[in-house]
Amino acid sequence: QEQLVESGGGVVQPGRSLRLSCATSGFTFNTYGMHWVRQAPGKGLEWVAAISYIGNGNNKYYADSVKGRFTISRDNSKNTLFLQMNSLRAEDTALYYCARDLGYCTTTSCHDLGGWFDPWGQGTLVSVSS
Amino acid sequence: EVVLTQSPGTLSLSPGERATLSCRASQSVGSNYLAWFQRKPGQAPRLLIYGASTRATGIPDRFSGSGSGTDFTLTISRLEPDDFAVYFCQQYGPSLLFTFGQGTKLEIK
Repeated sequence: QEQLVESGGGVVQPGRSLRLSCATSGFTFNTYGMHWVRQAPGKGLEWVAAISYIGNGNNKYYADSVKGRFTISRDNSKNTLFLQMNSLRAEDTALYYCARDLGYCTTTSCHDLGGWFDPWGQGTLVSVSS
Repeated sequence: EVVLTQSPGTLSLSPGERATLSCRASQSVGSNYLAWFQRKPGQAPRLLIYGASTRATGIPDRFSGSGSGTDFTLTISRLEPDDFAVYFCQQYGPSLLFTFGQGTKLEIK
């Protein structure tokens, strides 16, 4: 059974840091791109960051709202995805989900990022407040 | 950025009825890179439909997706008690610009 379990959320003061983890099981983690997605209270879902499995995870992409403050990474030996969140702001308060990218193929090539997301984890809650 | 607008915000129906949920994009969604998800409190979002109309593995055939370009629809033909939840659409694709609709809450009337 393919499963994603997030952890590491909590209450943190503005300007501080937090590291989220996403433990995966039931699939070959090192052959999939992965994402973080969040939902702030009363708002819609927002894509946060993505990481490819290609290039030892050096291909990373970020939403403008977190670029320069958040870092996505992965440890393929532990089947785990991470999100390092620095310089946290009140507007980063949200439920954070990790999700697997199923990738997509064209007639000439296949890509590990850009497909639909499945499965997702249940989320971990981050609250930034003084 | 493609903005996805879902309607209605809340849909009140009874078990056995047909539900029609809309997801409208601000610009054409290439190659129908549109997915639908179901979300219940405390649970992981569940993939229902991808490619605008392809049911995910294990999804009952009472769920169907349709549409292309800028207008997409999720239809649940005969509502069961377990179907009452929040549904959201998502745009994906090679652009790596992933956006989501704000969701439709399907509640029991």
